[in-house]
Amino acid sequence: EADIYQTPRYLVIGTGKKITLECSQTMGHDKMYWYQQDPGMELHLIHYSYGVNSTEKGDLSSESTVSRIRTEHFPLTLESARPSHTSQYLCASSDGSGTDEGETQYFGPGTRLLVL
Amino acid sequence: KNQVEQSPQSLIILEGKNCTLQCNYTVSPFSNLRWYKQDTGRGPVSLTIMTFSENTKSNGRYTATLDADTKQSSLHITASQLSDSASYICVVSDRGSTLGRLYFGRGTQLTVWP
Repeated sequence: EADIYQTPRYLVIGTGKKITLECSQTMGHDKMYWYQQDPGMELHLIHYSYGVNSTEKGDLSSESTVSRIRTEHFPLTLESARPSHTSQYLCASSDGSGTDEGETQYFGPGTRLLVL
Repeated sequence: KNQVEQSPQSLIILEGKNCTLQCNYTVSPFSNLRWYKQDTGRGPVSLTIMTFSENTKSNGRYTATLDADTKQSSLHITASQLSDSASYICVVSDRGSTLGRLYFGRGTQLTVWP
């Protein structure tokens, strides 16, 4: 079981509200990621970070923002939630060892967001 | 276009039976291929990883195969258990370095019935 945590696990919120999804890991990993996953669909990378004060946008355009002030913490914020933001959000981290086998990403349990 | 296609989309089998899940990819260059298991309401967990030179790798009742020439991989589950019910996701990386990008399949939803 990976030591990566996400809160809340479920969130139902009204349109226009500001929300922050929390993600923390205790493995000391430098690299962290946020993915969006709709039912029956593939994971889409929306943000990633290679370390403190490093954040980059992923492949899927997202209206969310992230910050990385501490190694263990990588929160995702939606300033104004909309129904189109309804989805599952998965946080992951890796040690970025860069071997031939690449890197194993360890995923959190996810946050299921419903915007009414 | 780099893509990962999985089949079947869903599969129902009886407990104790074997099954095989397929993954075809067009990712190039190719570095490695992973199979993840995702239980309902949970994050994916890595089952196996295979590099270009590997043909077969086992993890308990899970056996993954890779044919880098035809760009196909399979995940064989032996003597299925109820706890095997999950989505199985194929993930291909185009480089082994920290710059590698991951391409995700949509997964095969496996249901094991008693």
